[in-house]
Amino acid sequence: KQEVTQIPAALSVPEGENLVLNCSFTDSAIYNLQWFRQDPGKGLTSLLLIQSSQREQTSGRLNASLDKSSGRSTLYIAASQPGDSATYLCAVRPSSGDKLTFGTGTRLAVRP
Amino acid sequence: GAVVSQHPSRVICKSGTSVKIECRSLDFQATTMFWYRQFPKQSLMLMATSNEGSKATYEQGVEKDKFLINHASLTLSTLTVTSAHPEDSSFYICSAGDRFTDTQYFGPGTRLTVL
Repeated sequence: KQEVTQIPAALSVPEGENLVLNCSFTDSAIYNLQWFRQDPGKGLTSLLLIQSSQREQTSGRLNASLDKSSGRSTLYIAASQPGDSATYLCAVRPSSGDKLTFGTGTRLAVRP
Repeated sequence: GAVVSQHPSRVICKSGTSVKIECRSLDFQATTMFWYRQFPKQSLMLMATSNEGSKATYEQGVEKDKFLINHASLTLSTLTVTSAHPEDSSFYICSAGDRFTDTQYFGPGTRLTVL
């Protein structure tokens, strides 16, 4: 059974700092990995999706990397802003099937 | 991009009543929809997979008679929480799979509070 863990569970940083969020998964037979953002009481906003054949994806200040063999992904946020404060979730889709397994989440607070 | 809506966004009901939540894919056809539950400060847990025109597949530990799922068309799936109790209070999120882009899109969620 796939297990997805995110470290740290919570993170507080001052504005402007670069930061890295980590996601690890136990079964490397994945189709893709996706990073989401969730604001309090809201649904999910997809940030980046990395196919299993890819190493990284970039969107603006966000960069996600994938090392499938070691079961790890990182989300790098450059020059963090208070508006980045949210919970960040990673989710993996298996190579067979389409059920997503979500990580435990990282609650990020960016202080002005 | 593709849009998935949920209705209602928030519902408060008395214990023992049934609540129906709708999930719609607005600009694409979804042969598969997924229902998740999220408790406060926890991650999303998959409850069931809804397939258009067939019975839903429930995850282990989810009572199919309590959480009724109907996927009558390619754009609509409904989740009915029957005889709701306070422990069913949660945030329910659906996602819809676009069969042409092979991508899941998430709804905005429904906050259920059972008094």
